[in-house]
Amino acid sequence: NAGVTQTPKFQVLKTGQSMTLQCAQDMNHEYMSWYRQDPGMGLRLIHYSVGAGITDQGEVPNGYNVSRSTTEDFPLRLLSAAPSQTSVYFCASSFWQDNEQFFGPGTRLTVL
Amino acid sequence: AQSVAQPEDQVNVAEGNPLTVKCTYSVSGNPYLFWYVQYPNRGLQFLLKYITGDNLVKGSYGFEAEFNKSQTSFHLKKPSALVSDSALYFCAVLTGGGNKLTFGTGTQLKVEL
Repeated sequence: NAGVTQTPKFQVLKTGQSMTLQCAQDMNHEYMSWYRQDPGMGLRLIHYSVGAGITDQGEVPNGYNVSRSTTEDFPLRLLSAAPSQTSVYFCASSFWQDNEQFFGPGTRLTVL
Repeated sequence: AQSVAQPEDQVNVAEGNPLTVKCTYSVSGNPYLFWYVQYPNRGLQFLLKYITGDNLVKGSYGFEAEFNKSQTSFHLKKPSALVSDSALYFCAVLTGGGNKLTFGTGTQLKVEL
């Protein structure tokens, strides 16, 4: 099992550019989520999905889109990058919401 | 709003001494509470959770947590700290009708020789 994988590990964007952060899991988990981690603020939920075809907003969804066409993949799209989106992004998955979540290694994004 | 609070940004402990990392919660209904640990440049790892049952929950790496309903607390404990326990610790609570995990701001634990 590869667990939860994220690509890329590092990314630098210019303001206004768009990009997609990839997340995949091979554990057949139904629940997947995206978080951003900023110093002093802990992790904040961006979007989550309780199964293929179902997504919903978290605490800080503005500027981000997600889709869940398969159980395995949960990409996060930045529509028009802003410096405020400079952060470390983590994808996580679990069998269900009250189970332990498995986290990917993270993507460090810098927006200039 | 449902939330957790970690009142200490940093906790320093000598190796071999007991450690406590504090967490308080504010939720309506029965809380589902979690502890995660993050080592440098890594993703978070699950330590333990409280759903229901015994107030003392045992988890990975010798950690345990005590759920106290009257004090709305869920403190993380370990009887004897190791230098390798030095990391960032997060308390979290399941919110949003059970669909969202809300994290505290984290506590940096430093264990010194």
